[in-house]
Amino acid sequence: AQSVTQLGSHVSVSEGALVLLRCNYSSSVPPYLFWYVQYPNQGLQLLLKYTTGATLVKGINGFEAEFKKSETSFHLTKPSAHMSDAAEYFCAVDDNYGQNFVFGPGTRLSVLP
Amino acid sequence: EAGVAQSPRYKIIEKRQSVAFWCNPISGHATLYWYQQILGQGPKLLIQFQNNGVVDDSQLPKDRFSAERLKGVDSTLKIQPAKLEDSAVYLCASSLEGGGGTDTQYFGPGTRLTVL
Repeated sequence: AQSVTQLGSHVSVSEGALVLLRCNYSSSVPPYLFWYVQYPNQGLQLLLKYTTGATLVKGINGFEAEFKKSETSFHLTKPSAHMSDAAEYFCAVDDNYGQNFVFGPGTRLSVLP
Repeated sequence: EAGVAQSPRYKIIEKRQSVAFWCNPISGHATLYWYQQILGQGPKLLIQFQNNGVVDDSQLPKDRFSAERLKGVDSTLKIQPAKLEDSAVYLCASSLEGGGGTDTQYFGPGTRLTVL
């Protein structure tokens, strides 16, 4: 069975600093990979996804992620943090065409002024 | 385009009581998902419907949880009887086809259940 690991349950960065949220997965087949963001008392919103093709994926709000097969990683980055980026971020993997969708435990991002 | 609707937003019950949650997916979406999100954890898939048929319910505790999507549109999730460990946010999501990576899941705001 596949699994998703997110290193660091809580990450704090200063406004304007680089954001790096880590995601590693285990899957026996090439997976589809996702990052979702969850603001307080709201549902999840898709930030970006990797299916096939270019391994560097750009998403909404200036976020991007790179699929590295050799490292089984899909880390999320943003060059300059905004106060509005403070939220919970979830990495997810799907290796069975929508029938085996697994979320990681999440990383809470705090942005300090 | 209206998003995924869920009600109620909050529910507090005593253990051993029953509770039901309702979800109305985005119009035209064939696939509907119910997730359980316990505080501090990622969402866990409970059940997935394709139209009105069940695709995956392997993680649904069937002795107390049930779900239906009779007309292939809206859905209800029921817990009977509830246990303390059922306290969580129950998220509903829908997607156009359910075909994995090429198909995006859209989430509702969730129902926060507290079992006392």
